[in-house]
Amino acid sequence: RKEVEQDPGPFNVPEGATVAFNCTYSNSASQSFFWYRQDCRKEPKLLMSVYSSGNEDGRFTAQLNRASQYISLLIRDSKLSDSATYLCVVNGVDSWGKFQFGAGTQVVVTP
Amino acid sequence: GAGVSQSPSNKVTEKGKDVELRCDPISGHTALYWYRQSLGQGLEFLIYFQGNSAPDKSGLPSDRFSAERTGGSVSTLTIQRTQQEDSAVYLCASSPRTLTYNEQFFGPGTRLTVL
Repeated sequence: RKEVEQDPGPFNVPEGATVAFNCTYSNSASQSFFWYRQDCRKEPKLLMSVYSSGNEDGRFTAQLNRASQYISLLIRDSKLSDSATYLCVVNGVDSWGKFQFGAGTQVVVTP
Repeated sequence: GAGVSQSPSNKVTEKGKDVELRCDPISGHTALYWYRQSLGQGLEFLIYFQGNSAPDKSGLPSDRFSAERTGGSVSTLTIQRTQQEDSAVYLCASSPRTLTYNEQFFGPGTRLTVL
Protein backbone atom coordinates (compact mmCIF):
# COMPACT_ATOMS: atom_id res chain seq x y z
CA ARG A 1 0.00 0.00 0.00
CA LYS A 2 1.29 3.46 -0.88
CA GLU A 3 2.02 5.88 1.95
CA VAL A 4 -0.10 8.61 0.35
CA GLU A 5 -2.91 7.78 -2.06
CA GLN A 6 -4.98 10.00 -4.31
CA ASP A 7 -7.69 9.42 -6.89
CA PRO A 8 -5.88 10.25 -10.13
CA GLY A 9 -9.06 11.59 -11.80
CA PRO A 10 -9.53 13.38 -14.06
CA PHE A 11 -12.30 15.31 -12.37
CA ASN A 12 -14.09 17.16 -15.15
CA VAL A 13 -15.75 20.19 -13.61
CA PRO A 14 -17.96 22.80 -15.27
CA GLU A 15 -16.81 26.35 -14.71
CA GLY A 16 -18.45 27.74 -11.58
CA ALA A 17 -19.09 24.35 -10.01
CA THR A 18 -17.63 22.88 -6.84
CA VAL A 19 -15.23 19.96 -6.79
CA ALA A 20 -13.79 18.06 -3.88
CA PHE A 21 -11.35 15.20 -3.59
CA ASN A 22 -9.49 13.36 -0.89
CA CYS A 23 -6.07 12.07 -0.08
CA THR A 24 -5.45 9.22 2.35
CA TYR A 25 -2.26 8.60 4.26
CA SER A 26 -1.18 5.42 5.98
CA ASN A 27 0.85 6.57 8.96
CA SER A 28 -1.10 7.95 11.88
CA ALA A 29 2.07 9.66 13.15
CA SER A 30 2.15 12.03 10.17
CA GLN A 31 2.77 15.57 11.31
CA SER A 32 1.96 18.08 8.61
CA PHE A 33 -0.06 18.13 5.44
CA PHE A 34 -0.02 20.25 2.33
CA TRP A 35 -1.75 20.69 -1.00
CA TYR A 36 0.33 21.71 -4.00
CA ARG A 37 -0.80 22.37 -7.54
CA GLN A 38 1.28 21.40 -10.51
CA ASP A 39 0.67 22.67 -14.01
CA CYS A 40 1.84 20.66 -16.98
CA ARG A 41 5.63 20.66 -17.26
CA LYS A 42 5.98 23.06 -14.33
CA GLU A 43 7.19 22.72 -10.78
CA PRO A 44 4.74 22.15 -7.89
CA LYS A 45 3.55 25.30 -6.20
CA LEU A 46 2.26 25.45 -2.65
CA LEU A 47 -1.49 25.92 -2.55
CA MET A 48 -2.32 25.41 1.11
CA SER A 49 -0.87 24.12 4.32
CA VAL A 50 -3.29 22.06 6.39
CA TYR A 51 -2.85 22.57 10.10
CA SER A 52 -5.13 21.50 12.90
CA SER A 53 -8.49 20.43 11.49
CA GLY A 54 -8.26 22.50 8.34
CA ASN A 55 -8.26 25.95 6.84
CA GLU A 56 -9.78 28.07 4.14
CA ASP A 57 -8.21 30.41 1.61
CA GLY A 58 -10.66 32.14 -0.68
CA ARG A 59 -12.32 29.53 -2.86
CA PHE A 60 -10.19 26.73 -1.47
CA THR A 61 -10.93 24.76 1.69
CA ALA A 62 -8.73 22.02 3.06
CA GLN A 63 -9.75 19.71 5.89
CA LEU A 64 -7.86 17.17 7.91
CA ASN A 65 -9.50 14.12 9.43
CA ARG A 66 -6.94 12.46 11.66
CA ALA A 67 -9.29 9.72 12.84
CA SER A 68 -9.84 8.49 9.29
CA GLN A 69 -6.41 9.59 8.08
CA TYR A 70 -7.35 11.70 5.13
CA ILE A 71 -7.21 15.27 3.98
CA SER A 72 -9.56 16.85 1.51
CA LEU A 73 -9.49 19.80 -0.84
CA LEU A 74 -12.62 21.59 -1.96
CA ILE A 75 -12.64 24.17 -4.72
CA ARG A 76 -15.69 26.42 -5.01
CA ASP A 77 -16.72 28.48 -8.03
CA SER A 78 -14.14 26.70 -10.21
CA LYS A 79 -12.22 28.80 -12.72
CA LEU A 80 -10.62 27.64 -15.93
CA SER A 81 -7.29 28.51 -14.36
CA ASP A 82 -7.90 25.92 -11.63
CA SER A 83 -7.19 23.17 -14.18
CA ALA A 84 -4.10 21.45 -12.85
CA THR A 85 -2.87 18.40 -10.99
CA TYR A 86 -3.28 18.70 -7.23
CA LEU A 87 -0.65 16.97 -5.15
CA CYS A 88 -1.19 15.84 -1.59
CA VAL A 89 1.97 16.00 0.52
CA VAL A 90 2.49 14.52 3.96
CA ASN A 91 5.43 15.15 6.24
CA GLY A 92 6.73 12.95 8.99
CA VAL A 93 5.51 9.66 7.61
CA ASP A 94 8.73 7.81 8.23
CA SER A 95 11.06 10.61 9.18
CA TRP A 96 10.31 14.19 10.08
CA GLY A 97 12.51 15.62 7.39
CA LYS A 98 11.03 13.62 4.55
CA PHE A 99 7.93 14.44 2.58
CA GLN A 100 5.76 11.87 0.86
CA PHE A 101 3.93 12.94 -2.27
CA GLY A 102 0.74 11.52 -3.66
CA ALA A 103 0.65 10.87 -7.38
CA GLY A 104 -1.80 13.72 -7.86
CA THR A 105 -5.44 14.34 -8.77
CA GLN A 106 -6.07 15.90 -12.14
CA VAL A 107 -8.78 18.55 -12.33
CA VAL A 108 -10.07 19.84 -15.66
CA VAL A 109 -12.39 22.82 -15.56
CA THR A 110 -14.46 23.17 -18.70
CA PRO A 111 -16.27 26.26 -20.05
CA GLY B 1 12.61 37.81 -2.73
CA ALA B 2 14.45 35.32 -4.88
CA GLY B 3 13.06 31.84 -5.10
CA VAL B 4 14.82 28.53 -5.57
CA SER B 5 16.93 28.48 -8.70
CA GLN B 6 18.31 25.53 -10.60
CA SER B 7 20.80 25.20 -13.39
CA PRO B 8 20.96 24.22 -16.11
CA SER B 9 17.29 24.36 -17.05
CA ASN B 10 17.86 21.75 -19.73
CA LYS B 11 20.65 19.23 -20.16
CA VAL B 12 21.09 16.80 -23.01
CA THR B 13 23.88 14.30 -22.59
CA GLU B 14 25.09 11.07 -24.06
CA LYS B 15 24.77 7.77 -22.28
CA GLY B 16 27.79 7.13 -20.10
CA LYS B 17 28.65 10.77 -19.46
CA ASP B 18 28.60 12.40 -16.03
CA VAL B 19 26.29 15.33 -15.29
CA GLU B 20 26.12 17.83 -12.47
CA LEU B 21 22.94 19.64 -11.52
CA ARG B 22 22.92 22.68 -9.30
CA CYS B 23 20.38 24.07 -6.84
CA ASP B 24 20.42 27.45 -5.10
CA PRO B 25 17.89 27.41 -2.26
CA ILE B 26 16.05 30.36 -0.80
CA SER B 27 18.38 32.27 1.48
CA GLY B 28 18.10 31.13 5.08
CA HIS B 29 16.35 27.86 4.30
CA THR B 30 18.09 25.11 6.24
CA ALA B 31 16.52 22.12 4.51
CA LEU B 32 17.05 21.21 0.87
CA TYR B 33 15.43 18.38 -1.08
CA TRP B 34 16.04 16.67 -4.40
CA TYR B 35 13.30 14.88 -6.30
CA ARG B 36 12.91 13.58 -9.78
CA GLN B 37 9.81 13.32 -11.90
CA SER B 38 9.50 11.22 -15.01
CA LEU B 39 6.98 12.21 -17.66
CA GLY B 40 3.44 11.70 -16.38
CA GLN B 41 4.63 10.32 -13.08
CA GLY B 42 4.65 11.54 -9.49
CA LEU B 43 7.58 12.97 -7.60
CA GLU B 44 10.24 10.53 -6.47
CA PHE B 45 12.22 11.53 -3.38
CA LEU B 46 15.98 11.29 -3.82
CA ILE B 47 17.72 12.92 -0.85
CA TYR B 48 17.38 15.72 1.64
CA PHE B 49 19.85 17.90 3.50
CA GLN B 50 19.55 19.56 6.85
CA GLY B 51 22.36 22.08 6.78
CA ASN B 52 25.25 20.31 5.10
CA SER B 53 24.41 16.83 6.27
CA ALA B 54 22.12 14.34 4.56
CA PRO B 55 20.09 12.43 7.15
CA ASP B 56 18.16 10.57 4.48
CA LYS B 57 19.74 9.31 1.27
CA SER B 58 17.33 6.44 0.91
CA GLY B 59 15.88 7.64 -2.36
CA LEU B 60 19.07 7.68 -4.38
CA PRO B 61 18.46 5.03 -7.08
CA SER B 62 22.01 3.71 -7.29
CA ASP B 63 25.60 4.49 -6.37
CA ARG B 64 25.88 6.45 -9.61
CA PHE B 65 23.92 9.20 -7.86
CA SER B 66 25.49 11.45 -5.25
CA ALA B 67 24.76 14.86 -3.82
CA GLU B 68 26.48 17.36 -1.64
CA ARG B 69 25.69 20.66 -0.04
CA THR B 70 28.25 23.19 1.03
CA GLY B 71 28.00 26.21 3.31
CA GLY B 72 24.42 25.29 4.11
CA SER B 73 23.43 26.74 0.77
CA VAL B 74 24.14 25.50 -2.76
CA SER B 75 23.69 21.83 -3.52
CA THR B 76 24.87 19.75 -6.46
CA LEU B 77 23.43 16.46 -7.61
CA THR B 78 25.87 14.38 -9.64
CA ILE B 79 24.92 11.48 -11.83
CA GLN B 80 27.82 9.39 -13.08
CA ARG B 81 27.75 7.19 -16.18
CA THR B 82 24.26 8.37 -17.11
CA GLN B 83 21.74 5.88 -18.44
CA GLN B 84 18.66 6.50 -20.55
CA GLU B 85 16.42 5.70 -17.57
CA ASP B 86 17.93 8.70 -15.78
CA SER B 87 16.03 10.98 -18.16
CA ALA B 88 13.59 12.99 -16.05
CA VAL B 89 13.00 16.41 -14.54
CA TYR B 90 15.12 16.88 -11.43
CA LEU B 91 13.46 19.19 -8.94
CA CYS B 92 15.01 20.89 -5.97
CA ALA B 93 13.05 22.34 -3.06
CA SER B 94 14.03 24.20 0.07
CA SER B 95 12.27 24.75 3.36
CA PRO B 96 12.90 26.89 6.44
CA ARG B 97 12.00 23.76 8.38
CA THR B 98 11.10 25.34 11.68
CA LEU B 99 8.74 23.70 14.13
CA THR B 100 5.88 25.78 12.86
CA TYR B 101 6.77 26.29 9.24
CA ASN B 102 8.18 23.53 7.08
CA GLU B 103 6.60 24.15 3.70
CA GLN B 104 8.74 23.34 0.68
CA PHE B 105 9.32 25.72 -2.20
CA PHE B 106 10.38 24.29 -5.52
CA GLY B 107 12.75 25.45 -8.18
CA PRO B 108 11.83 25.24 -11.87
CA GLY B 109 13.72 21.99 -12.33
CA THR B 110 16.41 20.67 -14.65
CA ARG B 111 15.14 18.62 -17.55
CA LEU B 112 17.71 15.89 -18.20
CA THR B 113 17.68 13.93 -21.44
CA VAL B 114 20.10 11.04 -21.86
CA LEU B 115 20.51 9.96 -25.46
